[in-house]
Amino acid sequence: NAGVTQTPKFRILKIGQSMTLQCAQDMNHNYMYWYRQDPGMGLKLIYYSVGAGITDKGEVPNGYNVSRSTTEDFPLRLELAAPSQTSVYFCASSYPEEGDTEAFFGQGTRLTVV
Amino acid sequence: AQSVTQPDIHITVSEGASLELRCNYSYGATPYLFWYVQSPGQGLQLLLKYFSGDTLVQGIKGFEAEFKRSQSSFNLRKPSVHWSDAAEYFCAVGPYSSASKIIFGSGTRLSIRP
Repeated sequence: NAGVTQTPKFRILKIGQSMTLQCAQDMNHNYMYWYRQDPGMGLKLIYYSVGAGITDKGEVPNGYNVSRSTTEDFPLRLELAAPSQTSVYFCASSYPEEGDTEAFFGQGTRLTVV
Repeated sequence: AQSVTQPDIHITVSEGASLELRCNYSYGATPYLFWYVQSPGQGLQLLLKYFSGDTLVQGIKGFEAEFKRSQSSFNLRKPSVHWSDAAEYFCAVGPYSSASKIIFGSGTRLSIRP
């Protein structure tokens, strides 16, 4: 099993450009999450999904969009990149049945907006 | 409201000394509690988790944590730290119901003094 795979690992965007951060998991997890991590700020939840076709906002959803058309994939879309979106983005998945709610993380995408 | 508080932003301990990282939570239902570790430039790795039963749980790398319901705490401990333990540590509370999501604390950065 590959676990949670994020692409790309690094990206530099110009202000106003758009891009999609890809996330795929092969563990048949129904929950998936997107977090951003800023220095000294810990992890902030952007969006999450409890299953295909269902998404919900987290703490910091502004400037982002998500979709969940399949169980495996949970892409994060930035429409108009801003310097405030410079961060490290982590995708995670979990299967919250009793005894197995551990979140599995991807390796992260380091995004710089200039 | 669901929340996780890690009151210590940065802790420095000497190699070989004992360690305790604090975590307090607020959660409306039965909490599933986790400690994750993030080494520099890496994703998050699960150290240990607690669902029920014995309130003292053992994890990887010699870490343990104790759940204290009366204090809403889940502190992480290690009897003797090693230089390789220098990292960022995150406490998290996980979902029980289908409407819940994983919430992370802001993290504690651990430095090791030679």
